[in-house]
Amino acid sequence: SAVISQKPSRDICQRGTSLTIQCQVDSQVTMMFWYRQQPGQSLTLIATANQGSEATYESGFVIDKFPISRPNLTFSTLTVSNMSPEDSSIYLCSVEIPASGTSKQYFGPGTRLTVT
Amino acid sequence: RKEVEQDPGPFNVPEGATVAFNCTYSNSASQSFFWYRQDCRKEPKLLMSVYSSGNEDGRFTAQLNRASQYISLLIRDSKLSDSATYLCVVLNSGGYQKVTFGIGTKLQVIP
Repeated sequence: SAVISQKPSRDICQRGTSLTIQCQVDSQVTMMFWYRQQPGQSLTLIATANQGSEATYESGFVIDKFPISRPNLTFSTLTVSNMSPEDSSIYLCSVEIPASGTSKQYFGPGTRLTVT
Repeated sequence: RKEVEQDPGPFNVPEGATVAFNCTYSNSASQSFFWYRQDCRKEPKLLMSVYSSGNEDGRFTAQLNRASQYISLLIRDSKLSDSATYLCVVLNSGGYQKVTFGIGTKLQVIP
């Protein structure tokens, strides 16, 4: 498995501002992911972040709104830009660890964002 | 049709009861399946993988039915601490791996 930490754990932000969320892993991993979980909803993948290349965004998510950095194999950041109340959500980073012919995902504790 | 469908519940069961959840998936080429557990205001945590032959871990049994495209999770002798949301997760590989989460089934075990 992997130990994953995220900062901040929660924040309350004003609309129009930006917030950068950090994700740190205790081991080197190739694949890191950023998810969003809105109240009462399942997890929605925002993007996949691989070290040394640009992030791959899912449909409905764009780099200008959610820029991602992946400077090394243990760290990534997600920025939520020009926030609106609709961005209020829990943001989770996760890593993929190969295991027994498949791979398993482990999650950080999440960042609870409220936009006012 | 959603890629992964679950009954959101809630399932309210007494302590000691046996409860089962199903999860259906739409992509017949899906390769790997998992159950995650998410406690209130916490991140999802891997509960168990689901193997074609079915697998058991203590009070928990997971099964896969490829013909009908569903997976199941059975919990025997429910404990109060089993109260959580159980997320069905499906992994597809097509160019790159895609992980899809169900909305989760909420379980409340009652004393």
